[in-house]
Amino acid sequence: DGGITQSPKYLFRKEGQNVTLSCEQNLNHDAMYWYRQDPGQGLRLIYYSQIVNDFQKGDIAEGYSVSREKKESFPLTVTSAQKNPTAFYLCASIATSGDGELFFGEGSRLTVL
Amino acid sequence: KQEVTQIPAALSVPEGENLVLNCSFTDSAIYNLQWFRQDPGKGLTSLLLIQSSQREQTSGRLNASLDKSSGRSTLYIAASQPGDSATYLCAVSPHNFNKFYFGSGTKLNVKP
Repeated sequence: DGGITQSPKYLFRKEGQNVTLSCEQNLNHDAMYWYRQDPGQGLRLIYYSQIVNDFQKGDIAEGYSVSREKKESFPLTVTSAQKNPTAFYLCASIATSGDGELFFGEGSRLTVL
Repeated sequence: KQEVTQIPAALSVPEGENLVLNCSFTDSAIYNLQWFRQDPGKGLTSLLLIQSSQREQTSGRLNASLDKSSGRSTLYIAASQPGDSATYLCAVSPHNFNKFYFGSGTKLNVKP
């Protein structure tokens, strides 16, 4: 079945450590997105990419980095510069040449101890 | 800047009731509007997608309408069930897909 796979589902890290969240899709979608979700704040865009080897900052990119070396993969690194990294992270994708329906992965919950 | 608002923030109804969730947006230059469901600790599941040229979409007990000129969409749930309990979010997309704008959601509780 086609879909978006995020891993790990739960991640615990100590302060000052970088962590990388994986996002893989087999939908042949060209555009991919990373969102952060905090209680009471809705979804906020971190980064997005519409083609391989190109990506753009969203509203809250500080302290995060991404890469898009393959169409199906869009990993997110939460660096030690992110002041409050504990959150629920969601990866999404769409086919920009299609109807624009956005699909999400199951999310990754990062807790910094 | 596009702003999306969902009212009410929370809703509790007895099983069997028909209900309406509201979504409003400030900029009518959208490509589409999408309704999602989110269960606790899970990702978002797409429920209905309405293109800007469409007025409504239906899937089972769900019906979503779109009035682009007034910046409003409604999600109608018929004969609600306890399994419908979740948070419902709406999102609008610009034509270049560089960003999706989400509402904060309506948390629905359907009591048995």
